[in-house]
Amino acid sequence: EPEVTQTPSHQVTQMGQEVILRCVPISNHLYFYWYRQILGQKVEFLVSFYNNEISEKSEIFDDQFSVERPDGSNFTLKIRSTKLEDSAMYFCASSELGPGNEQFFGPGTRLTVL
Amino acid sequence: QKEVEQNSGPLSVPEGAIASLNCTYSDRGSQSFFWYRQYSGKSPELIMSIYSNGDKEDGRFTAQLNKASQYVSLLIRDSQPSDSATYLCAVNDQAGTALIFGKGTTLSVSS
Repeated sequence: EPEVTQTPSHQVTQMGQEVILRCVPISNHLYFYWYRQILGQKVEFLVSFYNNEISEKSEIFDDQFSVERPDGSNFTLKIRSTKLEDSAMYFCASSELGPGNEQFFGPGTRLTVL
Repeated sequence: QKEVEQNSGPLSVPEGAIASLNCTYSDRGSQSFFWYRQYSGKSPELIMSIYSNGDKEDGRFTAQLNKASQYVSLLIRDSQPSDSATYLCAVNDQAGTALIFGKGTTLSVSS
């Protein structure tokens, strides 16, 4: 069964450094998303992406964050100048159809900022 | 601010019993409703979606939606210890692409 994959599974970085989290969405899916979950808290929407542009972003997704689809398979989240409070699980999701349809999540990347 | 509320639990049921999980949402314009299961340290796994008022059954799972009451529920029949997890209710409105999640209800099924 097709699934969303994410790399790395765990990323440790120093405060102020830049990190890139990578995702390979399900191959026939056209809509891509990033969510994060701080330990013990709810899953929070960051951004959605369709047709090579951002469809929607939350208040969390400020200038520190950016997304890109560098090729036909990868979808990346870049976090510049990481802060301690960026430590969280970051989940990529994809959906075949647009707004309101089922989203399938990858296994996540645990980001630890020291 | 769109909100999704769930009782955090834990909800404890014996093996073989029915587990009932509830969720309310604030945005009356919401159109799509989902239940995800999340094991500790893992990602959300989609188990049910429901779009219309009424019941939707899939195996041991039944989702129920009442848009007038802004209420969604999930029933798990013949609960198994492997069902022990946190169940997340997520809501999406037609205007947006974002899923708004509740904090989740922790279910514990004892054998």
